[in-house]
Amino acid sequence: DIVLTQSPASLAVSLGQRATISCRASQSVSTSSYSYMHWYQQKPGQPPKLLIKYASNLESGVPARFSGSGSGTDFTLNIHPVEEEDTATYYCQHSWEIPLTFGAGTKLELK
Amino acid sequence: QVQLQQSGAELMKPGASVKISCKATGYTFSSYWIEWVKQRPGHGLEWIGEILPGSGSTNYNEKFKGKATFTADTSSNTAYMQLSSLTSEDSAVYYCARGTTATRYFDYWGQGTTLTVSS
Repeated sequence: DIVLTQSPASLAVSLGQRATISCRASQSVSTSSYSYMHWYQQKPGQPPKLLIKYASNLESGVPARFSGSGSGTDFTLNIHPVEEEDTATYYCQHSWEIPLTFGAGTKLELK
Repeated sequence: QVQLQQSGAELMKPGASVKISCKATGYTFSSYWIEWVKQRPGHGLEWIGEILPGSGSTNYNEKFKGKATFTADTSSNTAYMQLSSLTSEDSAVYYCARGTTATRYFDYWGQGTTLTVSS
């Protein structure tokens, strides 16, 4: 199984600053055309919400302050500028092969 | 619009079985995977497996083989997950989600079904 290691486990960021979350895969999840890595936001009591697909493609309706990058085994989710409503837990997920797996999550709080 | 409506919370005894439903509206049910995900406090998100309603094809996470069974009824646009031989380790929130056929990102999610296993 592909293991996704997210870091940090938690971070505190001031309003208006940048939050950077890393996700490292135990093997490559990219081809020359696509990276099969996706990002979700989950708030307490709610299901996860898709933010970014294929590593860098913003899902419709998601604010442009969210961005994703990376390929191969290393991926990053950036949020800038951070707003109060962004306090949540963020997960990466690969779809390279079965079984699909998720990272352990990164909890974002405001400083 | 696309919606996935799950059945309500369940309280079950150890050793019993439970069937959770996920009713889909707003899209062609047969053409997308229905994914099932488990979430326990402190355990993050676990992919249980998936079913493609149009064909009945299924894929299971090895960890959940023998525990979970997926079915789908295209006449009612409803997918089901049965969990058997319940233990306290099965207590969790279970989500269904829509998975794209080309690649499995989950673009729509149900609201979640809370399962509590207790004697």
